[in-house]
Amino acid sequence: DGGITQSPKYLFRKEGQNVTLSCEQNLNHDAMYWYRQDPGQGLRLIYYSQIVNDFQKGDIAEGYSVSREKKESFPLTVTSAQKNPTAFYLCASSIDAVRYGYTFGSGTRLTVV
Amino acid sequence: KQEVTQIPAALSVPEGENLVLNCSFTDSAIYNLQWFRQDPGKGLTSLLLIQSSQREQTSGRLNASLDKSSGRSTLYIAASQPGDSATYLCACSGSARQLTFGSGTQLTVLP
Repeated sequence: DGGITQSPKYLFRKEGQNVTLSCEQNLNHDAMYWYRQDPGQGLRLIYYSQIVNDFQKGDIAEGYSVSREKKESFPLTVTSAQKNPTAFYLCASSIDAVRYGYTFGSGTRLTVV
Repeated sequence: KQEVTQIPAALSVPEGENLVLNCSFTDSAIYNLQWFRQDPGKGLTSLLLIQSSQREQTSGRLNASLDKSSGRSTLYIAASQPGDSATYLCACSGSARQLTFGSGTQLTVLP
């Protein structure tokens, strides 16, 4: 079955650590996205990539970094510069966002300990 | 900048009732509007996608409408069931092919 796989489901980060969230898709979608969701709020865009080896900052990119070396993969690194990283992180992809919309993964919950 | 608002933030109804969830947006220059369902601690499941040229879409007991001129969309759920309990999110896709989300409506259907 085609879909988006996010791992791990739960992740714990110590102060000062960098952590990487995985997002893999087998849908052959060109575009991939990372969103952050805080309780009671809508999703906010962190980074997006329309094509391999290219990505752009979203609304809240500070303290995050990404790479897009393969079409299937779009990992997100939460760096120590992100002061409030505790949130639910969602990855999405699209082949033609206008015609077909977006597909989302099941999310990773990151907690700072 | 696009802003999306969903009212009410929470809604509780008895099983079997028909209900309407509201979504409003400030910039009518959208390519489409998508309704999602989110269960607690889970990802988003796409329910309906309405293109900017369309007025409504239907899937089973769900019907979504779009009025670009007034900046409004509604999600109609017929004959609600306890299994419909979830948070419903609407999102608009604009010129940068990015989604702008509302904060969601948390629906509880009581048996």
